[in-house]
Formats: sequence, C-alpha cells, structure tokens
Amino acid sequence: KQEVTQIPAALSVPEGENLVLNCSFTDSAIYNLQWFRQDPGKGLTSLLLIQSSQREQTSGRLNASLDKSSGRSTLYIAASQPGDSATYLCAVTHNSGYSTLTFGKGTMLLVSP
Amino acid sequence: EAGVAQSPRYKIIEKRQSVAFWCNPISGHATLYWYQQILGQGPKLLIQFQNNGVVDDSQLPKDRFSAERLKGVDSTLKIQPAKLEDSAVYLCASSQSGTSGATQYFGPGTRLLVL
Repeated sequence: KQEVTQIPAALSVPEGENLVLNCSFTDSAIYNLQWFRQDPGKGLTSLLLIQSSQREQTSGRLNASLDKSSGRSTLYIAASQPGDSATYLCAVTHNSGYSTLTFGKGTMLLVSP
Repeated sequence: EAGVAQSPRYKIIEKRQSVAFWCNPISGHATLYWYQQILGQGPKLLIQFQNNGVVDDSQLPKDRFSAERLKGVDSTLKIQPAKLEDSAVYLCASSQSGTSGATQYFGPGTRLLVL
C-alpha cells in the first residue's frame, strides 16, 4: 500500500526566504507526482505535475524535483511572499492505469511580512 | 469554464442523523471522485465513478456511506447514520478520464461537523 509522507508538518518563515518542502513515497511504481496548494475553506489547486520519466518541473518561483528510485520529491519556493501562505500537499498516482491519487498530510506554510 | 460545484458548503448535524452532499462536475468529465479530508490529514479517496459506474469504492464505509451518480453527471454522497468521526471536509473532483494521466479538478468542498 502506497504511503506518502511530508516533512515538515508546518513551517514559518519571513518574507523573502527560499524554502524547501519534502515529500517521500514508499512505492516507486508511480505514474506521476503532483504538488497541490490548499487555502483555508477552499479546494485544491494543482501547482506542478511531474511525470515519472521527468526529473523536475518549474512554474514561476516554484520548482519541483522527483527522484523516483529513492521515492522522494521536493518543492522549492524562491523568494517567498505572504501570499504563498497555504497548505501544500503532495500526491502520487500509481502506474496501474487508474487516476487514483494518494496524498500526504501536507505542510502548512506561513510566510510573515 | 465553470469549475466543480458542491453544496452545501457547510453542514452541522448531530450524531446518528443523516446528511447528503451534492456535486456537479465539470461538463463533459467522465470521471468523478469523492474524497474525505479529516483535519490535519490529506484527502482520502472514498469512491471513484467512471460515467455512472463505480471504479473504486474500496475505502468507502459501506455500512453508513453511499454514493450514486445517476445519468453519469451529478453525484450525491450520503451518510446515514453519521458518527462523530465523520467530521471532515468532503471534496468532490472530476477529470476527463480515469486514466493515470488525467488531471483532477477539485471543488471547494463541504465542511461537515457532527456533534
């Protein structure tokens, strides 16, 4: 059974800092890995999707890397802003052919001005 | 393009009562998912529909939870009777297909509190 772990559970940083969120998964037979953002009282927004054959994806100040063999992914946020404050969730899709997502518990990020 | 719609947004009930949630997926999306997200946890898949058929309901507590997707469009999730541990956010998502590469789009969720 796939298990996804995210470290740290919570993170508080001052504005402008670069930061790294970590995600690990137990079964390397994944199809892809996604990073989501969740704001309080709202649904999930997909930030980055990395296919199993890829090593990284970038979108603006966000960069996600994937090391499938070691079961790890990182989300790098450059020059953090207060608007980045949210919970970040990592999720993997198994390569069984189905789209089922297995999520981690998330990292709650607070960026203070 | 309209997103995934869910109602109600909030619901407070007492234990042993019944409750139902409604989801309207993005038009044309064949696959619909219901997730349960307990406070401090990641979302957990309860049930996945492909059109009006069930693909995966292995984590649905079938003694109290039921879901249907009549005509392969809207879906309802019902809890009867509710327990305290059912307090959670119930998220609905949809995708064009149910294959591994399909992007899931999430609704805002229904926040349930069972007293």
